[in-house]
Amino acid sequence: GAVVSQHPSRVICKSGTSVKIECRSLDFQATTMFWYRQFPKQSLMLMATSNEGSKATYEQGVEKDKFLINHASLTLSTLTVTSAHPEDSSFYICSAPGPAHNYGYTFGSGTRLTVV
Amino acid sequence: AQKITQTQPGMFVQEKEAVTLDCTYDTSDQSYGLFWYKQPSSGEMIFLIYQGSYDEQNATEGRYSLNFQKARKSANLVISASQLGDSAMYFCAMRPGYSSASKIIFGSGTRLSIRP
Repeated sequence: GAVVSQHPSRVICKSGTSVKIECRSLDFQATTMFWYRQFPKQSLMLMATSNEGSKATYEQGVEKDKFLINHASLTLSTLTVTSAHPEDSSFYICSAPGPAHNYGYTFGSGTRLTVV
Repeated sequence: AQKITQTQPGMFVQEKEAVTLDCTYDTSDQSYGLFWYKQPSSGEMIFLIYQGSYDEQNATEGRYSLNFQKARKSANLVISASQLGDSAMYFCAMRPGYSSASKIIFGSGTRLSIRP
């Protein structure tokens, strides 16, 4: 079946450093990738949509300079949390449209980010 | 405005009983898709069931069925013969529009706990 590989699954970083999260579609092309953030016991909130070959579209209230999104190829999208702070600690998960048999969306396994 | 509402923050059900998780939605689109996902403590998003707005029959997938009442804008998930492994967070989600490349929005979720 369709797989989106997300790495790392867990990361602990020091305040002020940057962290890169990768989502790679393994057996299908993902021209679009959705990036969500989930705080404990809350829902998934869409942060941004990345598109291969163009700039990402950010949801209202999401800082573009803090959450850098790059869609380098048809199979790879990355989210970089720059100058991370403890309030950025959260669960980040990506999702790609396709392939059709999965009714359109394949999720990565998520990244639990802890900023100390 | 596009919105998904889940009014049950938590539910407790006895093993082997059936359970209904409520979901209402709001959209002005004529074409849309409705999803239910299960999220265990590991964080992964597990697709359960899908209902298209033009589907006349209620969707079923094994022990899962979706009670789709279009006029009421509700899409309740019914789990028959609940099992201990069903304990998890459950999210109702909507894809406004027809394209699978459209983003999906999530409800606030229901935490289901199955009692032995």
